[in-house]
Amino acid sequence: DIQMTQSPSTLSASVGDRVTITCRASQSFSSWLAWYQQKPGKAPKLLIYKASNLESGVPSRFSGSGSGTEFTLTISSLQHDDFATYYCQQYYSYPYTFGQGTNLEIK
Amino acid sequence: QQQLQESGPGLVKPSETLSLTCTVSGGSISSSSYYWGWFRQPPGKGLEWIGSIYYSGSTYYNPSLKSPVTISVDTSKNQFSLKLSSVTAADTAVYYCARQLGARPFDHWGQGTLVTVSS
Repeated sequence: DIQMTQSPSTLSASVGDRVTITCRASQSFSSWLAWYQQKPGKAPKLLIYKASNLESGVPSRFSGSGSGTEFTLTISSLQHDDFATYYCQQYYSYPYTFGQGTNLEIK
Repeated sequence: QQQLQESGPGLVKPSETLSLTCTVSGGSISSSSYYWGWFRQPPGKGLEWIGSIYYSGSTYYNPSLKSPVTISVDTSKNQFSLKLSSVTAADTAVYYCARQLGARPFDHWGQGTLVTVSS
């Protein structure tokens, strides 16, 4: 199985800040990585696919980069609506696996 | 715009079988472009992929699940289903169904349904 490790687990930031979340994989898998946003009581929402492709309808302040074993999600200027939990997921091989999540909270 | 909706009992007794159905609307489950998946999220914890099915019936399961898993599809009802046998309290979670389009990740999700395993 490919293990996904996210950091940090919790991130405190303010509106307008630029933040970066990192996801590291236990083995290389090119760019088959997705980022999701999840708010309490809601289903995950796809933000980024294939490491750097913005899902339709997702604001351009979200961006993804990386390949191989290290990936990042960057939010260029935090908005109130962005405070949530973020997960990375590899969909390169079964079993699909997620990072443990990053809780982005208001400072 | 496809929509997915989970349904099933919210309470299951230990050692019994958890059964959930995902109904797909706004498109055919039989499209060759889609895989259909089940996920779960224990209260306060992260996401776990349970397994996926293709409309033809091909299945892929997560071997880390301790309870035996079966995923099936009913194309006549535009539904796919999850069965988890011999459940324990550790299977208490919000269960989600979702759609995977080709080589993309899961882009359409159901709202989720909480299943509690308790006597």
